[in-house]
Amino acid sequence: GEDVEQSLFLSVREGDSSVINCTYTDSSSTYLYWYKQEPGAGLQLLTYIFSNMDMKQDQRLTVLLNKKDKHLSLRIADTQTGDSAIYFCAETPRSGGSYIPTFGRGTSLIVHP
Amino acid sequence: DVKVTQSSRYLVKRTGEKVFLECVQDMDHENMFWYRQDPGLGLRLIYFSYDVKMKEKGDIPEGYSVSREKKERFSLILESASTNQTSMYLCASRTLNPGANVLTFGAGSRLTVL
Repeated sequence: GEDVEQSLFLSVREGDSSVINCTYTDSSSTYLYWYKQEPGAGLQLLTYIFSNMDMKQDQRLTVLLNKKDKHLSLRIADTQTGDSAIYFCAETPRSGGSYIPTFGRGTSLIVHP
Repeated sequence: DVKVTQSSRYLVKRTGEKVFLECVQDMDHENMFWYRQDPGLGLRLIYFSYDVKMKEKGDIPEGYSVSREKKERFSLILESASTNQTSMYLCASRTLNPGANVLTFGAGSRLTVL
């Protein structure tokens, strides 16, 4: 099975909150990440959370981490059309000391007026 | 502003051609990566490099090779391009300095093999 799983699509109305969920498998990951990919571009780091934290807030973004269930979520408050993008969850499992990033398949967030 | 630059944004090649995808970073990063991105499949790791002249296979190395002769440059080579290698290719780099070890990505190279 996949190491990192996330749903492929999420559609929300402008002004609502968006919640993108992710499950991962490797508890050795020190950091967990959310990257954003806008159309025609590469990935950009959106935010990350240290594995000993439960929550991290940064303006409209809230990351929740449940280590027991290996569940990560990204909440975007007051979602705007500019938030339409693909959002990737990623972990860096400690495999032989190499910490190779593993990505989910990406969730396409569609924001409609 | 730190950067990862992929020299070719769009390429069209024919089956059997040799293809070079170039990636240059200006951050003195030790690690560099090549990923392939396909719809519904996310990012899959092709090769990575810990440092100069070092390389390791990722999850899907078949049909690809890489070269890292200088720290700033990591090249992906398709020895004989095939139609199933039509894809978006993403290069990324990362420092080994203590911290969150975030990847910095290039804008991508979209390759079409006819």
